[in-house]
Amino acid sequence: DTEVTQTPKHLVMGMTNKKSLKCEQHMGHRAMYWYKQKAKKPPELMFVYSYEKLSINESVPSRFSPECPNSSLLNLHLHALQPEDSALYLCASSQDISRISNTGELFFGEGSRLTVL
Amino acid sequence: GESVGLHLPTLSVQEGDNSIINCAYSNSASDYFIWYKQESGKGPQFIIDIRSNMDKRQGQRVTVLLNKTVKHLSLQIAATQPGDSAVYFCAENGAAGNKLTFGGGTRVLVKP
Repeated sequence: DTEVTQTPKHLVMGMTNKKSLKCEQHMGHRAMYWYKQKAKKPPELMFVYSYEKLSINESVPSRFSPECPNSSLLNLHLHALQPEDSALYLCASSQDISRISNTGELFFGEGSRLTVL
Repeated sequence: GESVGLHLPTLSVQEGDNSIINCAYSNSASDYFIWYKQESGKGPQFIIDIRSNMDKRQGQRVTVLLNKTVKHLSLQIAATQPGDSAVYFCAENGAAGNKLTFGGGTRVLVKP
């Protein structure tokens, strides 16, 4: 199984809503990532978890709250978002975080497309 | 600062011809580079990677070339097919090595 599964595929929410994006992988990877991708732009790193601990936060606003309940799951909790937060949110995983050159590539899910009204 | 960029935003190619996509990077400490393909509505899909101790790596119909002297990376696709139509991103692992930074992307359009 070499898949990263993300749910939901599409999400529409108002600025006062609270919602969550979910990501799951069963490859035994110990590093998991959240990327944000705006239309016609490259993915931008948001968070990195290593062995279920937050390792990198790329100065993401607190209205985005990541959570890693176990080694297979990664959540992104959303609260009080702005319309400019509308984007494709991509989850990825890799064997570990020590050095990507040693662990090989990142495996990406198909993303959750978020629209904030 | 760190940056990974591409020279051509859109590449139109005739079916059956070869495609070349270029990428410039600025972080000389990067030692791992990946090309990803992203089709409409999907996540990035790994195509091929190369480590800094290599100049060239070949896969099935794809070749990646790395020129560390000028910090340049290219992806060559042989006999381009309609299914190759997508946006292609290069990515590098940066000084710390533990996260990928993506370039701006090149859209490849294959004409029948």
